[in-house]
Amino acid sequence: AQKITQTQPGMFVQEKEAVTLDCTYDTSDPSYGLFWYKQPSSGEMIFLIYQGSYDQQNATEGRYSLNFQKARKSANLVISASQLGDSAMYFCAMREGQSYGGATNKLIFGTGTLLAVQP
Amino acid sequence: DGGITQSPKYLFRKEGQNVTLSCEQNLNHDAMYWYRQDPGQGLRLIYYSQIVNDFQKGDIAEGYSVSREKKESFPLTVTSAQKNPTAFYLCASSIPFLQGAGYSNQPQHFGDGTRLSIL
Repeated sequence: AQKITQTQPGMFVQEKEAVTLDCTYDTSDPSYGLFWYKQPSSGEMIFLIYQGSYDQQNATEGRYSLNFQKARKSANLVISASQLGDSAMYFCAMREGQSYGGATNKLIFGTGTLLAVQP
Repeated sequence: DGGITQSPKYLFRKEGQNVTLSCEQNLNHDAMYWYRQDPGQGLRLIYYSQIVNDFQKGDIAEGYSVSREKKESFPLTVTSAQKNPTAFYLCASSIPFLQGAGYSNQPQHFGDGTRLSIL
């Protein structure tokens, strides 16, 4: 069964430093997509970055980058130059395999990592 | 601005009562989703719909019902059969994922959520 594992319940980082949030996944489907979302205390889910299983390069979006190691089935999120506003829950998610003859964008979520940025 | 509107923000349910959570989107997305989030946990899929007048059960559909009569709207009813309804409910929408169609990196977009509590 497809599964996302985030082993860090909580992380601290000093402002302006970089931090890595871990995510490992399990799937037998050769084609999949990995997403990272940020959830501030207000509750909304904010999309950060995407990595496709066939992408040759690691994804980057501003201060966010994805350390994608396909053989190890890991997709760690790296946040550079942390800011106080980065304090939030971070979720890794995987899109399930496609259904033939139809389309599905169902996501499986990990349990999240709570990041606290300290001044 | 396009987005997803969930209402109400807070909702209280009495024993034996059905309540309906509203979700409206103006992103012209075909696919819509309902998730449940319990404290300290990730999101779990309740129901999803890929097109008007069609919807499928997710992983935890028992005690819930949905309808999809309009593209813009995907209301969720929490019935009295749901014995533990206290949770944070998130609605999302997306372009349906079509393999090879170039939409693989399209994320789900989320509303701000509804907090449901039992009286």
